[in-house]
Amino acid sequence: EAAVTQSPRNKVTVTGGNVTLSCRQTNSHNYMYWYRQDTGHGLRLIHYSYGAGNLQIGDVPDGYKATRTTQEDFFLLLELASPSQTSLYFCASSPRDNSGNTLYFGEGSRLIVV
Amino acid sequence: AQKVTQTQTSISVMEKTTVTMDCVYETRDSSYFLFWYKQTASGEIVFLIRQDSYKKENATEGHYSLNFQKPKSSIGLIITATQIEDSAVYFCAMREIYDTNAYKVIFGKGTHLHVLP
Repeated sequence: EAAVTQSPRNKVTVTGGNVTLSCRQTNSHNYMYWYRQDTGHGLRLIHYSYGAGNLQIGDVPDGYKATRTTQEDFFLLLELASPSQTSLYFCASSPRDNSGNTLYFGEGSRLIVV
Repeated sequence: AQKVTQTQTSISVMEKTTVTMDCVYETRDSSYFLFWYKQTASGEIVFLIRQDSYKKENATEGHYSLNFQKPKSSIGLIITATQIEDSAVYFCAMREIYDTNAYKVIFGKGTHLHVLP
């Protein structure tokens, strides 16, 4: 079964703080994605990657950096956190095959910026 | 701009009835994939069903089926014989090819389904 693990699951930080959200997948998938979920906005794509060392810009990238260090690990970095980045963050992975990039999601990381 | 639109914010239905959730999309790709995902009350997001744009037959998966109307850029999710456990948020999604190898998956805002006993 596909496995995507996010950490931390919950995080509270102060405005201007530095936060790293981690995601690890053990599916040997090529693609990994970071989304944020906010009421009234659904899931919005922040960054994604199709392999180690690759980074693609999503639809809401401002204030976020990301890095794909290995096939398994994808990190989301908030270097100067702001209250507008309070959100529920989801990581997902997908294979590059005939599934059309069916996504397998992690459990989510809730971030609160005070 | 390429986008996915779900206009129904919330739907309530009686148990054991059939419900249809709407989704329209915009894309410049000639070949694309459309998906529906379910987010349960616990927050878990799971894949339900997929439609390949080049296939004329509507996809089915258990008590889920799709109403794919390509000329209208529409992909509706149909749930038959609804159960209380179907109460959840349903997201429509589309995969587009932004660049070679760069497969971007974007989502609609979701429809909250309430199945009433």
